[in-house]
Amino acid sequence: QQQVKQSPQSLIVQKGGISIINCAYENTAFDYFPWYQQFPGKGPALLIAIRPDVSEKKEGRFTISFNKSAKQFSLHIMDSQPGDSATYFCAASRGNNQAGTALIFGKGTTLSVSS
Amino acid sequence: NAGVTQTPKFRVLKTGQSMTLLCAQDMNHEYMYWYRQDPGMGLRLIHYSVGEGTTAKGEVPDGYNVSRLKKQNFLLGLESAAPSQTSVYFCATRQNYGYTFGSGTRLTVV
Repeated sequence: QQQVKQSPQSLIVQKGGISIINCAYENTAFDYFPWYQQFPGKGPALLIAIRPDVSEKKEGRFTISFNKSAKQFSLHIMDSQPGDSATYFCAASRGNNQAGTALIFGKGTTLSVSS
Repeated sequence: NAGVTQTPKFRVLKTGQSMTLLCAQDMNHEYMYWYRQDPGMGLRLIHYSVGEGTTAKGEVPDGYNVSRLKKQNFLLGLESAAPSQTSVYFCATRQNYGYTFGSGTRLTVV
């Protein structure tokens, strides 16, 4: 049972365009939804994260939209740049104070921004 | 301040050989995790630890063992490597909601 489903698997966007990656989750106990960016040969790095008490969070060109009732969240990259070309993972976890809390990842989206 | 350090960075093993991957952290975080990353599969949790002397199984624990004898170190062992364990292995630590990942170990089993 895949707890976090991510789409699309790959995405090609023109420079200056908007990149949109979607994720859906099943466990309503999840209360932390981060997005990670990974470049080849590197570990995942936190890009932006949201808690379910807000519907949107923006940091620079990156925005998370969160729909609690639909159990979906998405990453929007505005004015996409070639340097944004990377693999993006959504993730979810529950209960900061619960022992054993671990991030559950989506399968990833490979973004290519063409110049 | 190195954060999370994984050694080795690369390794090639023959089927049936054993090895240990080391994860060391200098942030005094209680929680530590081992993930494996395979193409098209995302990162899957192998084992985790909620503190010194504790370990627990994650989503894909078979064929792996772990130990956390010291708070700063989390070891992942392969007793008898199999080609299916060819992967990139990532260690992570957590404090509150913040996770910090190492740069990974690329393991090939031939």
